[in-house]
Amino acid sequence: DSGVTQTPKHLITATGQRVTLRCSPRSGDLSVYWYQQSLDQGLQFLIQYYNGEERAKGNILERFSAQQFPDLHSELNLSSLELGDSALYFCASSPRGGNTGELFFGEGSRLTVL
Amino acid sequence: GNSVTQMEGPVTLSEEAFLTINCTYTATGYPSLFWYVQYPGEGLQLLLKATKADDKGSNKGFEATYRKETTSFHLEKGSVQVSDSAVYFCALHKNAGNMLTFGGGTRLMVKP
Repeated sequence: DSGVTQTPKHLITATGQRVTLRCSPRSGDLSVYWYQQSLDQGLQFLIQYYNGEERAKGNILERFSAQQFPDLHSELNLSSLELGDSALYFCASSPRGGNTGELFFGEGSRLTVL
Repeated sequence: GNSVTQMEGPVTLSEEAFLTINCTYTATGYPSLFWYVQYPGEGLQLLLKATKADDKGSNKGFEATYRKETTSFHLEKGSVQVSDSAVYFCALHKNAGNMLTFGGGTRLMVKP
């Protein structure tokens, strides 16, 4: 158990809908990262937050947004969903700024868009 | 930009066989290098790391040596077990951006 909690574990929805994925980092970790894992794109970095502030942005679509709350949990919002958004979405956390590259991953939220 | 290339899988081995999974990288400067492992139904977990050239990372019988001259970080294990069946990801990290760049992953299947 990495200590990172993600909900829901599985989610099935339709095209055009909006979903919210939730992540609770390890106790004391200030950084939260979101990654998307799909068969054709591999593991893609989406966005990082550190202590409530956006720190780095990767290949995140404009239809996607995220935030980190004062209690350090994070949410990833996916809107106007398309079939291609079906993937496993991972949250990871690290202490401080994450400068070591050592991340602790949750078990992921599997999103299926029909 | 930074990138990581891994050998494509799946790699299928018999128990007690020798394992090598190749990984090469492209990056400016001196990144840190990692191997992460993803067991079925789980998230990724750190397996080993090396932070500078010629460093050897090791854990659970796995080893990888940071070779700057060949920009490689190949994963090896002398005798694999069925429980090693998983997907292995090579990754690099540089301070700028604080993000990990992952390779495509290599699935290892070990048969008894």
